[in-house]
Amino acid sequence: QKEVEQNSGPLSVPEGAIASLNCTYSDRGSQSFFWYRQYSGKSPELIMSIYSNGDKEDGRFTAQLNKASQYVSLLIRDSQPSDSATYLCAVKEMDSSYKLIFGSGTRLLVRP
Amino acid sequence: ETGVTQSPTHLIKTRGQQVTLRCSSQSGHNTVSWYQQALGQGPQFIFQCYREEENGRGNFPPRFSGLQFPNYSSELNVNALELDDSALYLCASSPGQANEQFFGPGTRLTVL
Repeated sequence: QKEVEQNSGPLSVPEGAIASLNCTYSDRGSQSFFWYRQYSGKSPELIMSIYSNGDKEDGRFTAQLNKASQYVSLLIRDSQPSDSATYLCAVKEMDSSYKLIFGSGTRLLVRP
Repeated sequence: ETGVTQSPTHLIKTRGQQVTLRCSSQSGHNTVSWYQQALGQGPQFIFQCYREEENGRGNFPPRFSGLQFPNYSSELNVNALELDDSALYLCASSPGQANEQFFGPGTRLTVL
């Protein structure tokens, strides 16, 4: 059973700090990785995708991928209270369905 | 806004009943996936359709079935509802099988 693991949190950071969210995955053959943000009672919203080792930056968000360690992370710089949400890590399985396998999410709380 | 819509927003059914949930994908998106998200968990893959053909199923029993139509709409049917089917049901569309998936707002199903 292919798995994606995340710390459930909550991860509490003060406003303006860097929030670091981590994810590990079991399938060494995985090639596509995604971070979704989910506010309470809402559906997941795609915020980052990453396919190659290294860093990918988009505004205040940076995704980091290390395929050798089977590790993906998301950094949120200058955290805002509006960033408080659950962050879901997802790995695309490269079989006939290209389905996403999700972790259970990390709840982030940004304190004003 | 992802351009993906789902109906209804909320639904209450009793055990043993049948339910049909509907999704309208973004125009041009030929792939639709359905996920079930229980409270406090990440979404779990139910099935995927590509160009109106089912091309993958998750670990769900046959009473979960679905279709995709030429007009970018799709539906998820669940027969013989059980209490554990209570969850948020999410539809995700993508422009291709290997591309990023964008979620609709979801349908909250409660089975009593």
